Amino acid sequence: DQQVKQNSPSLSVQEGRISILNCDYTNSMFDYFLWYKKYPAEGPTFLISISSIKDKNEDGRFTVFLNKSAKHLSLHIVPSQPGDSAVYFCAASEWGYGNKLVFGAGTILRVKS
Amino acid sequence: DVKVTQSSRYLVKRTGEKVFLECVQDMDHENMFWYRQDPGLGLRLIYFSYDVKMKEKGDIPEGYSVSREKKERFSLILESASTNQTSMYLCASSPSGGGRPSGNTIYFGEGSWLTVV
Repeated sequence: DQQVKQNSPSLSVQEGRISILNCDYTNSMFDYFLWYKKYPAEGPTFLISISSIKDKNEDGRFTVFLNKSAKHLSLHIVPSQPGDSAVYFCAASEWGYGNKLVFGAGTILRVKS
Repeated sequence: DVKVTQSSRYLVKRTGEKVFLECVQDMDHENMFWYRQDPGLGLRLIYFSYDVKMKEKGDIPEGYSVSREKKERFSLILESASTNQTSMYLCASSPSGGGRPSGNTIYFGEGSWLTVV
């Protein structure tokens, strides 16, 4: 039973438009959420995170929104660029479990120029 | 420059062979992890270690074991490789965080592609 779900396997967006990647979770004990980006043949790299005490966190073109009541978070990329084409993983963690992360299945983002 | 190095990038092994995947980090991190990545399943935690000679099972430990004799090195062992262990294996490390993860201090290696035939 997957505790972190990314229900869209892929997303295609035109360059300059907004990309919205979604993530749902089932474990109400999760209180810290992260997004990772992964290019083929490379390890994931950290993109942005959010604590459960916030509902929004912004870093440049990337914004993560958290809706605790719906157990849902989303990553917005504005404007999307061709270099953003990658696999995006949502991850979550519980307090007291250190850096043990639970990952979603990933969403392949393709940004067309 | 921080580094998590997985010594073998591409391996092909036969069913029943014993396989060692090695991971070394140069950041003096306490925590080390082994994940596998499969299409449609994301990254799943196999084993992790919070200290030398310490190990804990992750979500899918069956068929695997680990060894951490030195702080910088975390090895994943497939005692008897099977075809369903064909996958990409990712090692990661992080400093101890007092229970709070910080994504930008979790570093991944580039991955090891294992094919079991």
